[in-house]
Amino acid sequence: EPEVTQTPSHQVTQMGQEVILRCVPISNHLYFYWYRQILGQKVEFLVSFYNNEISEKSEIFDDQFSVERPDGSNFTLKIRSTKLEDSAMYFCASSEAGYQETQYFGPGTRLLVL
Amino acid sequence: SQQGEEDPQALSIQEGENATMNCSYKTSINNLQWYRQNSGRGLVHLILIRSNEREKHSGRLRVTLDTSKKSSSLLITASRAADTASYFCGTDSGGYQKVTFGIGTKLQVIP
Repeated sequence: EPEVTQTPSHQVTQMGQEVILRCVPISNHLYFYWYRQILGQKVEFLVSFYNNEISEKSEIFDDQFSVERPDGSNFTLKIRSTKLEDSAMYFCASSEAGYQETQYFGPGTRLLVL
Repeated sequence: SQQGEEDPQALSIQEGENATMNCSYKTSINNLQWYRQNSGRGLVHLILIRSNEREKHSGRLRVTLDTSKKSSSLLITASRAADTASYFCGTDSGGYQKVTFGIGTKLQVIP
């Protein structure tokens, strides 16, 4: 069964450094998402992406965040200058269509900012 | 406003018993989805129920949706130790693609 994959599974970085989290969505899916989950808290929506542009973003997704689909298979989340509070599990998800469709989640990247 | 608030926050049952988890939400929705998350792992999709549906089954899972009460329930029948996980409901509403999650129900099934 096709699945969303994410790399790396764990990332440790120093505050102020840039990180890029990578995702390979399910191949026939057209909508891509990033969510994050701070330890012990809810899974929170960050951004959705369709047709090579952001279709929706949350208040969390400020100027330090950016997303890109650099080729036909990868979908990336870049955090430009990491802060301690960016430490979280980051999940990529994809869906075949937009709203009213199941979103399939990847296994996550655990980011720790020191 | 809070969407997708699960209840109870923690549930401990014996293997073989049924587990019922509830989810309430505040605004009207397009769909409601239930997910499972094993400790420190990703979200596994279980069931999506649309706003015009009242009940859905998948194997040992039964989901109901009551839009008049803005609530949903997830029933796991004949629970197994492997069902031990956190269970989340997520809602999407309006023309928005984002799914809004609650804090989850932590289910422990004791062998």
